[in-house]
Amino acid sequence: EVQLLQSGGGLVQPGGSLRLSCAASGFNFNNYAMSWVRQVPGEGLEWVSSITSSGDTTYYADSVKGRFTISRDNSKNTLFLQMNSLRAADTAVYYCAKENTIFGVVEILFYFDYWGQGTLVTVSS
Amino acid sequence: SSELTQDPAVSVALGQTVRITCQGDSLRRFAATWYQQQPGQAPVLVIYGQNNRPSGIPDRFSGSRSGNTASLTITGAQAEDEGDYYCHTRDSSGHHQVFGGGTKLTVL
Repeated sequence: EVQLLQSGGGLVQPGGSLRLSCAASGFNFNNYAMSWVRQVPGEGLEWVSSITSSGDTTYYADSVKGRFTISRDNSKNTLFLQMNSLRAADTAVYYCAKENTIFGVVEILFYFDYWGQGTLVTVSS
Repeated sequence: SSELTQDPAVSVALGQTVRITCQGDSLRRFAATWYQQQPGQAPVLVIYGQNNRPSGIPDRFSGSRSGNTASLTITGAQAEDEGDYYCHTRDSSGHHQVFGGGTKLTVL
């Protein structure tokens, strides 16, 4: 059974830092790209960052680029999100998600097939 | 453009058919994925690659695409289908992910 177990959320002051973790099990972690997606309470989903299966390539939303760092430890089946210079606008539930990719005949299919339980990050003084 | 546009809210009578749409230039190039989110829960994949259902998703859920518009259709909506539905794809660069703003489905 695929499981993504998140930890590391909480309350932090503006300008502070926080590190989120996502422990994966039930699949070959080092074969899959992973992402972080966040959701401000009462609002929609926002993609934050993605990392390739090997960890050698990362992508970021403009809203977090230069402040957040995604990484992974394939030896420990764990995904991380280091969040620095946090702002009130970063307050949200953060989800980790496993990305599956299928190379079809006509097009490449990609989707988030499993999600973590979510962890709330609150940035407030 | 990296935006996906969804209607904020849609309602359907119990047992009837409803279509939720998602518009964006990226959909001309990349397939859409659809997620259902119930209050207080993580999103759940319901359709990927335009019209593929993961194991456990009822066959009343189906997807389609025409031009820059992807659609999620629920044929014979049930009370448990109430929730928020989000479309998802890549942006024009192919490297960034983008979500629609979400559609709140009410089953009357």
